[in-house]
Amino acid sequence: NAGVTQTPKFRVLKTGQSMTLLCAQDMNHEYMYWYRQDPGMGLRLIHYSVGEGTTAKGEVPDGYNVSRLKKQNFLLGLESAAPSQTSVYFCASSYLASGANVLTFGAGSRLTVL
Amino acid sequence: KNQVEQSPQSLIILEGKNCTLQCNYTVSPFSNLRWYKQDTGRGPVSLTIMTFSENTKSNGRYTATLDADTKQSSLHITASQLSDSASYICVVRTSGGYNKLIFGAGTRLAVHP
Repeated sequence: NAGVTQTPKFRVLKTGQSMTLLCAQDMNHEYMYWYRQDPGMGLRLIHYSVGEGTTAKGEVPDGYNVSRLKKQNFLLGLESAAPSQTSVYFCASSYLASGANVLTFGAGSRLTVL
Repeated sequence: KNQVEQSPQSLIILEGKNCTLQCNYTVSPFSNLRWYKQDTGRGPVSLTIMTFSENTKSNGRYTATLDADTKQSSLHITASQLSDSASYICVVRTSGGYNKLIFGAGTRLAVHP
């Protein structure tokens, strides 16, 4: 049981380039999330999805887009990368809304924008 | 503003010693509080969850406490091991809406032999 898998693990981009981070979960979870983690700060929610075909904005959605075409996959896109988007990105999933139900996180994707 | 503050930012202890990590929150309304452990280069993994009515909960060598009146939680680690070296993140959920989670910045713990 792989849990939550993120690809790629590392990526370096130049300002203005685009890229997509892929998140896949094999636990049949309804809810999926994308967070970013920056030094000295708590994880911040970028976008989330409450089910296949649905997405919603989180706390810091600007500069990112997402898609949930299949229940098991949640894609995070950067259309025109900026240095401020240098961060570690975590995907997570949960069976229900994240109340008592725990979030299962991926291992993270470290993105550097030059 | 909903906030979660953790202290200390970092901590170094010797193997076998005990330590306590603090979490203060100003989240309202409060639903629950969860402690996560994040190893270097990995995603956070849940250690324990505290609801409003719970004061103490243990998970092996980890004991979490919650004082809902003072809005404080602590995570006590007993007889530390090298494998306890990690960041410990306090996460508070507020009720209402989807995924209302407020994350603390974490305490980075280093256990030295």
